[in-house]
Amino acid sequence: GQQLNQSPQSMFIQEGEDVSMNCTSSSIFNTWLWYKQDPGEGPVLLIALYKAGELTSNGRLTAQFGITRKDSFLNISASIPSDVGIYFCAGQLINNNDMRFGAGTRLTVKP
Amino acid sequence: DAGITQSPRHKVTETGTPVTLRCHQTENHRYMYWYRQDPGHGLRLIHYSYGVKDTDKGEVSDGYSVSRSKTEDFLLTLESATSSQTSVYFCAISRGKEKLFFGSGTQLSVL
Repeated sequence: GQQLNQSPQSMFIQEGEDVSMNCTSSSIFNTWLWYKQDPGEGPVLLIALYKAGELTSNGRLTAQFGITRKDSFLNISASIPSDVGIYFCAGQLINNNDMRFGAGTRLTVKP
Repeated sequence: DAGITQSPRHKVTETGTPVTLRCHQTENHRYMYWYRQDPGHGLRLIHYSYGVKDTDKGEVSDGYSVSRSKTEDFLLTLESATSSQTSVYFCAISRGKEKLFFGSGTQLSVL
């Protein structure tokens, strides 16, 4: 199926630093979602994007729906230890509304 | 918590045995999904349901069957478990086909 390429696979950062991650694809999406997963739990929805070019914030998190509809970006500002976890992007394909997930970015924040 | 309960949370079984995982929702959402999560693969759709007795296959449906006899319950069955089905299984729900909300997962080990 259509794959989402999420990068980076992992990040090791110092507390207080900003974080950027992205998802790209050759397919076109009508919705982009960003999730966070803590160990032993299911993914929790952070941000949902519905329009090309849309920029949406949720506290220290900001996500953007790429203009080409083929990519999305997530930024975390001033990271804190509780930001540790795996972040997943998900895109809803424009042709059949199926949802596809990236492989995740594992974030480690050092105090 | 999006009103989703998965049971059991952990299960160890032997190759060749049947296994049923249960997902229960209290949100009255139309759509319910079963995903499996494996390292490096992100979340992959097994089966989904768009209403009582209405189900369809996802991208990794071989070896799995589902049933939905009530709006609130979605069952995933492994007719004859194999070691390749060792995984973490997540149920998800959605009102439409966007914005999936996930349960806490079931860790299944097939020995």
